[in-house]
Amino acid sequence: AQSVTQPDIHITVSEGASLELRCNYSYGATPYLFWYVQSPGQGLQLLLKYFSGDTLVQGIKGFEAEFKRSQSSFNLRKPSVHWSDAAEYFCAVVHNQAGTALIFGKGTTLSVSS
Amino acid sequence: NAGVTQTPKFQVLKTGQSMTLQCAQDMNHNSMYWYRQDPGMGLRLIYYSASEGTTDKGEVPNGYNVSRLNKREFSLRLESAAPSQTSVYFCASRNTGPGNTIYFGEGSWLTVV
Repeated sequence: AQSVTQPDIHITVSEGASLELRCNYSYGATPYLFWYVQSPGQGLQLLLKYFSGDTLVQGIKGFEAEFKRSQSSFNLRKPSVHWSDAAEYFCAVVHNQAGTALIFGKGTTLSVSS
Repeated sequence: NAGVTQTPKFQVLKTGQSMTLQCAQDMNHNSMYWYRQDPGMGLRLIYYSASEGTTDKGEVPNGYNVSRLNKREFSLRLESAAPSQTSVYFCASRNTGPGNTIYFGEGSWLTVV
């Protein structure tokens, strides 16, 4: 079974600074990877996903992620953070070959300082 | 544009009581899910249903039962609630297939006292 690890529990970034959130996944023949964001008291919203093709994936709200098979990583990046980006971010991987179950990492909380 | 609807939104239970969380989706999705979210633990999969008539255990199934009533509805039942089941519960759905997007309900806040 695949799994996903988010090494950073909490990150604080200054507004306007760049951001990188880390995600590592366990070995799988074809990893299907996702990033979701959750604002306080809200449900989860898909930022972007990767399952084939170009290893640099563009998402909504100016986010991008790069899939690196050699490092088993799928890190999320944003060139310039806005205060509204403060939220919890989850990396997720498809759990089984049938593609029926999605497993989430424990999340990284992003705080944005002015 | 309802998407995934779950009820109730808030519930307080006494230890040992039972209750059912209801979930319905109007996107004609094959797969449905129940997750729980706890501080520092992220979202953990309780049960899922890949298609109507099938259910499978996820990461933390103990203390829960599910029913895939039809293609639209997937309920989660706590037979004898325990304080450890205090959590936020999310229902979700997607079409079967690894790359398909999962859509979440707004969550149900459950407190067991």
